Amino acid sequence: NAGVTQTPKFQVLKTGQSMTLQCAQDMNHNSMYWYRQDPGMGLRLIYYSASEGTTDKGEVPNGYNVSRLNKREFSLRLESAAPSQTSVYFCASSDVTGGVTDTQYFGPGTRLTVL
Amino acid sequence: AQSVTQLGSHVSVSEGALVLLRCNYSSSVPPYLFWYVQYPNQGLQLLLKYTSAATLVKGINGFEAEFKKSETSFHLTKPSAHMSDAAEYFCAVTAGGANNLFFGTGTRLTVIP
Repeated sequence: NAGVTQTPKFQVLKTGQSMTLQCAQDMNHNSMYWYRQDPGMGLRLIYYSASEGTTDKGEVPNGYNVSRLNKREFSLRLESAAPSQTSVYFCASSDVTGGVTDTQYFGPGTRLTVL
Repeated sequence: AQSVTQLGSHVSVSEGALVLLRCNYSSSVPPYLFWYVQYPNQGLQLLLKYTSAATLVKGINGFEAEFKKSETSFHLTKPSAHMSDAAEYFCAVTAGGANNLFFGTGTRLTVIP
């Protein structure tokens, strides 16, 4: 099992460019998440998807859109990149056991720089 | 709402010394508590998980954590630090629902040879 995979690993964009970060999991989890990680701020949730066909905003959704393409795949799109979106982006997936979020499994991350 | 506080954004220990990383959760007893580790340029990986089955939880790489309800704490310890333990450690707590995993801001552990 590959677990959670993310592409690309690195990306450099110019301000105003768009891109899509891809994420896939092979653990048959219902829930998937996108986080960003910035120095001194820990992990901040951008969007999540509790199940196929549903998405909801997290703590910092502005400037991002997501698509839950199927149970395996959850993509994050930056429509018009800004320097403030320079960050490391992590995708994660988990089960919800008895109505409670269980262990989240993380991908290796995408390091994005916006110039 | 649930939350976690990690005391100390940076902790330095000598190789072979005790590692103690602190985590406190908000007052209501959570269903699950987690410690994750993040090595440089990698994603987070689970170190250990508390599920109320036992207050002392053993994890990978010799780490363990003790749940103390009276202190609302879930501190992470390791008796003897190794150079390979240098990483960032995150405490997390979960509540009900699909979007209720809350992370602390992390503690960076440096091991001095």
